[in-house]
Amino acid sequence: GAGVSQSPSNKVTEKGKDVELRCDPISGHTALYWYRQSLGQGLEFLIYFQGNSAPDKSGLPSDRFSAERTGGSVSTLTIQRTQQEDSAVYLCASSHPLTGRQETQYFGPGTRLLVL
Amino acid sequence: AQSVTQPDIHITVSEGASLELRCNYSYGATPYLFWYVQSPGQGLQLLLKYFSGDTLVQGIKGFEAEFKRSQSSFNLRKPSVHWSDAAEYFCALMVGGGSTLGRLYFGRGTQLTVWP
Repeated sequence: GAGVSQSPSNKVTEKGKDVELRCDPISGHTALYWYRQSLGQGLEFLIYFQGNSAPDKSGLPSDRFSAERTGGSVSTLTIQRTQQEDSAVYLCASSHPLTGRQETQYFGPGTRLLVL
Repeated sequence: AQSVTQPDIHITVSEGASLELRCNYSYGATPYLFWYVQSPGQGLQLLLKYFSGDTLVQGIKGFEAEFKRSQSSFNLRKPSVHWSDAAEYFCALMVGGGSTLGRLYFGRGTQLTVWP
């Protein structure tokens, strides 16, 4: 079926506002990942979901960042009180782990966030 | 700690010339290695992956990569580059165990420019 989709594709917000980024994984993929791509830091892991639980959220940069996943499908990444350093492209990936988590991750097109 | 290094930030080649993009990794056990390509405004597309077995792996678009444990390298090659190969290329490492299993560690990327 369709690949990983993300919305919005672009988001401009003012410093201090909250934003929500959405990821719709490939149907049947139980694993979901969020990454951030910025000029200064490159591609960084944020959080991993297996089903609706998040066994690895060690990459979240601060407590302003949170994520949830419902129904084992769609995930939302929320950034509260946005700062200019949050400006980046937020990428979502999903995979269907057959043997542990060593499976290919398929990436969405990303959400480009600009905080003014 | 695990890490990925892509020594070349930018490479320019002529169309039809051969290409080699370098990738070195640091990890104490057997790594799982990937090459992804990102075109402007697009997400990451998987070119190829190495999990085990044959150290020379074939990918899409005529790319191949060779895993060399003794050199901690996973260089990407293509015998004849096409103008459409111009993009940014990322090497990535997935660790094989522990609480961060499944997380991808990315290099900083190599930007490929192709001259006509």
